[in-house]
Amino acid sequence: GAGVSQSPSNKVTEKGKDVELRCDPISGHTALYWYRQSLGQGLEFLIYFQGNSAPDKSGLPSDRFSAERTGGSVSTLTIQRTQQEDSAVYLCASSLAGSKDTQYFGPGTRLTVL
Amino acid sequence: GNSVTQMEGPVTLSEEAFLTINCTYTATGYPSLFWYVQYPGEGLQLLLKATKADDKGSNKGFEATYRKETTSFHLEKGSVQVSDSAVYFCALLDSSYKLIFGSGTRLLVRP
Repeated sequence: GAGVSQSPSNKVTEKGKDVELRCDPISGHTALYWYRQSLGQGLEFLIYFQGNSAPDKSGLPSDRFSAERTGGSVSTLTIQRTQQEDSAVYLCASSLAGSKDTQYFGPGTRLTVL
Repeated sequence: GNSVTQMEGPVTLSEEAFLTINCTYTATGYPSLFWYVQYPGEGLQLLLKATKADDKGSNKGFEATYRKETTSFHLEKGSVQVSDSAVYFCALLDSSYKLIFGSGTRLLVRP
């Protein structure tokens, strides 16, 4: 079946612009996670959704970052007033509610802030 | 807080050599442990996992044993292939369901 999909695959933006990154989880997966992979920080957790609510937002690096999930499916990560240090690969993962130890990752969105 | 430490790379081996990538963790309790692999140009894939002490995870010839005495989860393979060239990440799942990753180890296998 279809895996986790993310769009766009690549995004180049200018400093100060807002960007939206989209994640489509595997059908039926109620848990959804966002991570970031950057050269300086490695792989780091950003936010976790169970259904449409986000019990853990502890990894969001600043108030410029926000995320939402609607209908228990698609999620959007928004970065406002982008900065060069936001350049990274943003990864989305999903899992079944009863199997949170098995997270399936999407291919990522590579964000470059000029 | 919880953390994962893995050996620095790159690790360069000849085909059919024995592989060990060291991983140790710091955590409260006994979290599930994982190895993920990222092949060039691809996304993260779960390679293997172990959910409790003394469990051995295995897949595609790779193995790792959950050792609570040494808080380790070292990845091993008896005979590597060129196609195993990738970046390997050790990770733990903390109590709030987020994965905490090590810094990754790049493996390069030469023919």
